[in-house]
Amino acid sequence: NAGVTQTPKFRVLKTGQSMTLLCAQDMNHEYMYWYRQDPGMGLRLIHYSVGEGTTAKGEVPDGYNVSRLKKQNFLLGLESAAPSQTSVYFCASSFKRGRTYEQYFGPGTRLTVT
Amino acid sequence: KNQVEQSPQSLIILEGKNCTLQCNYTVSPFSNLRWYKQDTGRGPVSLTIMTFSENTKSNGRYTATLDADTKQSSLHITASQLSDSASYICVVSAAHNTDKLIFGTGTRLQVFP
Repeated sequence: NAGVTQTPKFRVLKTGQSMTLLCAQDMNHEYMYWYRQDPGMGLRLIHYSVGEGTTAKGEVPDGYNVSRLKKQNFLLGLESAAPSQTSVYFCASSFKRGRTYEQYFGPGTRLTVT
Repeated sequence: KNQVEQSPQSLIILEGKNCTLQCNYTVSPFSNLRWYKQDTGRGPVSLTIMTFSENTKSNGRYTATLDADTKQSSLHITASQLSDSASYICVVSAAHNTDKLIFGTGTRLQVFP
């Protein structure tokens, strides 16, 4: 199993450009998440999905959109990139073990917006 | 406000030595606490998950403790190895929304030979 994969690994955008980050998981997990990690801050949840065709806002959703058309894929879109969106983006997926949701993270995408 | 605070921010130790990392949280109600290891340039990987009824949990040379009364946790690393160099992140889940995680900022550990 590849687990959780993310493409691309690195990207540089100019302000105003758009892009889509792809997350894929082969563990048949229902839940998927997008986080951003910035220096000196803990990971923050952008959007999440509890199943195919459903999405919900997290802690910092502004400037991002997501789609979950297939169970194994979760896309994160930036319609008009801003320098404040320079960050490392992590995708995660989870399943329920007892009363706990075990989250598995992808390797990350480092995005720079100039 | 739900918060997770970790100390120290960074730590340098010699290979073979032990160390302990601290985590204090104000998340309420509490569901579980996790410790993740994050290597540079990689995603976090789970080390342990503890519910409120668990006081200690081990994963190889890693031992986590939890005091739900004082809202404190620690991660003890025994006989450190160079490969232990990483950031260690404490994460707490709130009981009313068991999948919402509050992340600490991490402790950066460097192990030198």
